[in-house]
Amino acid sequence: QVQLVQSGAEVKKPGASVKVSCKASGYTFTSYDINWVRQATGQGLEWMGWMNPNSGNTGYAQKFQGRVTMTRNTSISTAYMELSSLRSEDTAVYYCARVVTAIDYWGQGTLVTVSS
Amino acid sequence: QLVLTQSPSASASLGASVKLTCTLSSGHSSYAIAWHQQQPEKGPRYLMKLNSDGSHSKGDGIPDRFSGSSSGAERYLTISSLQSEDEADYYCQTWGTGSVVFGGGTKLTVL
Repeated sequence: QVQLVQSGAEVKKPGASVKVSCKASGYTFTSYDINWVRQATGQGLEWMGWMNPNSGNTGYAQKFQGRVTMTRNTSISTAYMELSSLRSEDTAVYYCARVVTAIDYWGQGTLVTVSS
Repeated sequence: QLVLTQSPSASASLGASVKLTCTLSSGHSSYAIAWHQQQPEKGPRYLMKLNSDGSHSKGDGIPDRFSGSSSGAERYLTISSLQSEDEADYYCQTWGTGSVVFGGGTKLTVL
């Protein structure tokens, strides 16, 4: 069965960077885009960007341009999302998601807390 | 601009049916969407992809109580025989050129 398993919770100081991993199993990793979505407490879902695991091509939401980097390691079927220059407003649960056209599978989420 | 609009809240009684609406912005009435459910303190779960003609394909293990339909720019999610575990936030989602868009979500309360 398709699974996306993310890395554990992180606590970071303002100005630091965080890198979240998303390990895929149950399907051919390079055949589907991976998107990243975040959700602050009590808020809705916010799309951050996409990555094609086959080519490595990426596209980022304008809000995150210059601060987010999405990469992958195809040998271990793992996608990564790195967010830099963290601020308190980046405190949220970060989800990876597999995309056909619709998002059809979600990771379990990774809580990133930014606090001094 | 591609925008999805959802009512912030809805409620219905246990055992009844409810129809949630997601409205596509002007000029985008042919777009397909997806519905996702997020139960309290859990991550989102994919429910279905819904096309403009009302055809839909559901995710793994989604009960028959969940169905979708379309009319013009409106996309609907109908949940019948409501159960307590259906109390959740429901998000619609679509995709444009190189981007994904989410509606603001509807919080469903089961009375």
